[in-house]
Amino acid sequence: EAQVTQNPRYLITVTGKKLTVTCSQNMNHEYMSWYRQDPGLGLRQIYYSMNVEVTDKGDVPEGYKVSRKEKRNFPLILESPSPNQTSLYFCASRRDSRIVSWEQYFGPGTRLTVT
Amino acid sequence: EDKVVQSPLSLVVHEGDTVTLNCSYEVTNFRSLLWYKQEKKAPTFLFMLTSSGIEKKSGRLSSILDKKELFSILNITATQTGDSAIYLCAGGGATNKLIFGTGTLLAVQP
Repeated sequence: EAQVTQNPRYLITVTGKKLTVTCSQNMNHEYMSWYRQDPGLGLRQIYYSMNVEVTDKGDVPEGYKVSRKEKRNFPLILESPSPNQTSLYFCASRRDSRIVSWEQYFGPGTRLTVT
Repeated sequence: EDKVVQSPLSLVVHEGDTVTLNCSYEVTNFRSLLWYKQEKKAPTFLFMLTSSGIEKKSGRLSSILDKKELFSILNITATQTGDSAIYLCAGGGATNKLIFGTGTLLAVQP
């Protein structure tokens, strides 16, 4: 089954404790991205990757890191989480950056709470 | 700055009603507009629109784009309780990223 998976689905952590949210897709998609969703602000892009070893900042990259060592995986790293990073996070992928393949597939989401 | 604005923010209707959701956009070098449905989980794709005036349909849902007036509408006819969700609109432009609106929360009451 074609899908985007994320782990963990729920996480409660404390300020400053490094964490990683994993994302994996099995569709051989080139383009992957991370979003956070907050009430009243909608989905905002954190980072994206056009292909392996190619990553770039989205609209709200501060406090986050990513890596793309393999095509299928795109982990999101919070080196020192803070309470303002409490949010619902989605990983998404699409075939490539061309207009014809702009349908994005979203992972199930990770609800992160930082206390 | 690119932006996508959806209206209304929320809507409550009864089963069988027809609803129209609105999406206006300002996206540099606009290429496409996408609609997603989000229930208590990840957004799922509904439509992608790239040309003005061509209606896309899927069952009771339909959508159309007006590139001159920079807006799109999503229509849902004969609404059902299963249509209750947040409907997201997103615009894609030159930067290869999608700009999302804040969504319209639709509640369909029996």
